[in-house]
Amino acid sequence: DGGITQSPKYLFRKEGQNVTLSCEQNLNHDAMYWYRQDPGQGLRLIYYSQIVNDFQKGDIAEGYSVSREKKESFPLTVTSAQKNPTAFYLCASTRSDTGELFFGEGSRLTVL
Amino acid sequence: SQQGEEDPQALSIQEGENATMNCSYKTSINNLQWYRQNSGRGLVHLILIRSNEREKHSGRLRVTLDTSKKSSSLLITASRAADTASYFCATYDDMRFGAGTRLTVKP
Repeated sequence: DGGITQSPKYLFRKEGQNVTLSCEQNLNHDAMYWYRQDPGQGLRLIYYSQIVNDFQKGDIAEGYSVSREKKESFPLTVTSAQKNPTAFYLCASTRSDTGELFFGEGSRLTVL
Repeated sequence: SQQGEEDPQALSIQEGENATMNCSYKTSINNLQWYRQNSGRGLVHLILIRSNEREKHSGRLRVTLDTSKKSSSLLITASRAADTASYFCATYDDMRFGAGTRLTVKP
């Protein structure tokens, strides 16, 4: 089955530590996205990549970093510079013809 | 920038009633999409309407698009408790979301 796989599902980290969230897709989609969702809120765009080896900042990129070395993978690193990293993180990819977004099941990060 | 903005923020209805939620956007679009999110899960694509379409149906879902008003509406007919979720719109041109409409269907 094709889809988006995010891992880990739950992650705990101490303040001052960097953490990397994994996102893998086998849908052969060119574009991939990372969103952050806080409780009861909508999704905010962190970073997106429309092609391998290229990515752009979204609306809340500060304190985050990404890489896109392979078409299938778009990992997100939450750095210690992110002041309030506790949130639900969603990864998605799009069909290039319609822009339909396919989402993973999310990673919930809690900073202790 | 943020294209899609949904309203109302919250909607509570009884099972069997219809639910209508709205989406407004700012600039011209290629298409507009509606998504559903169950609590703690990823979003799931529901329906897409292209800029040259005015209405589209899929099962109990009906979507309309008014490009002159830059708005769309999602109607869920004969709602069920299982429809309880948050609903979001997004445009192909922007890939950004509003705060969503939180729908509660009471059995």
